[in-house]
Amino acid sequence: DGGITQSPKYLFRKEGQNVTLSCEQNLNHDAMYWYRQDPGQGLRLIYYSQIVNDFQKGDIAEGYSVSREKKESFPLTVTSAQKNPTAFYLCASSLGQGTTTEAFFGQGTRLTVV
Amino acid sequence: SQQGEEDPQALSIQEGENATMNCSYKTSINNLQWYRQNSGRGLVHLILIRSNEREKHSGRLRVTLDTSKKSSSLLITASRAADTASYFCATGDSGGTSYGKLTFGQGTILTVHP
Repeated sequence: DGGITQSPKYLFRKEGQNVTLSCEQNLNHDAMYWYRQDPGQGLRLIYYSQIVNDFQKGDIAEGYSVSREKKESFPLTVTSAQKNPTAFYLCASSLGQGTTTEAFFGQGTRLTVV
Repeated sequence: SQQGEEDPQALSIQEGENATMNCSYKTSINNLQWYRQNSGRGLVHLILIRSNEREKHSGRLRVTLDTSKKSSSLLITASRAADTASYFCATGDSGGTSYGKLTFGQGTILTVHP
């Protein structure tokens, strides 16, 4: 089945730790996105990538880092510099190739600081 | 910053009634999309309308776009209890430094009572 997979579904982080959220797609999409969603809120863009080995900061990139070494993978690292990381994280992909088209979302990772 | 702002924030209706949600945005767009999110899940794409289109239909969904007012509306006709979800508009930027950026609004929580 084609789709986008996020793992893990739940993640617990201790204060001061870095954690990495996985996002893999087998849709052959060029564009990938990371969003953060707080309870009862909309989605805020953290980072996005239109092509392998290239990515841009979104609206709330501070305290986060990404890499795009492979077309199918776009991992997000939540660093210790992110002071309030508890949130629901959503990864998405779309065709890209010159325009923003329908985005396909993973089922999300819920990150909690303990 | 949020590009799209939905209105109302919450909407409660009876089964069979129509539901209308509105979205306003601030900058030039390539297209506008509507998504649905069931509680705690990823988003599902509903419909995309391009900047040169004024109206689009898909099943019980009708979307309008007024680029002069920078606004869009989503109409769900003959609503069902299964339509209960959060609905988000998203805008695809038209170019420049925001090329490929897909930005979401705060969402409308729709509750359809049986």
